[in-house]
Amino acid sequence: QSVLTQPPSASETPGQRVTLSCSGSSSNIGSNFVFWYQQFPGAAPKLLIYRDNQRPSGVPDRFSGSKSGTSASLAISGLRSEDEADYYCATWDDSLRGPVFGGGTKLTVL
Amino acid sequence: QVQLQESGPGLVKPSETLSLTCTVSGASMTSFYWSWLRQPPGKGLEWIGFIDDGGNTNYNPSLKSRVSITIDTSNNQFSLRLTSVTAADTAVYFCATYSRSSLAFDVWGQGTLATVS
Repeated sequence: QSVLTQPPSASETPGQRVTLSCSGSSSNIGSNFVFWYQQFPGAAPKLLIYRDNQRPSGVPDRFSGSKSGTSASLAISGLRSEDEADYYCATWDDSLRGPVFGGGTKLTVL
Repeated sequence: QVQLQESGPGLVKPSETLSLTCTVSGASMTSFYWSWLRQPPGKGLEWIGFIDDGGNTNYNPSLKSRVSITIDTSNNQFSLRLTSVTAADTAVYFCATYSRSSLAFDVWGQGTLATVS
């Protein structure tokens, strides 16, 4: 049981926009930055978004993050087949005093 | 360019201790917090703990009684020990940097599968 809640799956067609959600509480998302990681099968996760909405160098601007209250979202526009992956949200939890993750959303590009 | 490489036995017997080492290249050991995370097959990510260059640690409360992370700055390595393992500890174990600036897990090792059987 993950501390953060993500839908297990999402799907959309190429070229469209998809939004992945992440729900938490006041002790985590509500008071700390949110991060998003992309993971392909058999590979390590890769940092996609940090501090709610910042992109590391090399991450396309098709990826964007936002946060409102105790929920966060990752939007991917101009969807491509290579975006098919698992996406995890993460944040710090003040009660647990450490980083926590969502269970991940498997994105399928139809 | 920071690179991390995990190493250690891929098979551990139940009730024994899992020991893994992460070798760091391309960065000073003072630059980051050094972290361990894991991912059971087909499941999500779980933070295990991290350590700084001074040996200060922070562990996941759910694992704290069984986990120890140590650092060897002279050899650019940090290590994980997990005692009294069970099948539930079977996972891919990743080492990663935890950046003091971005507060993110910036750089990851490729991961190593540890099976408890």
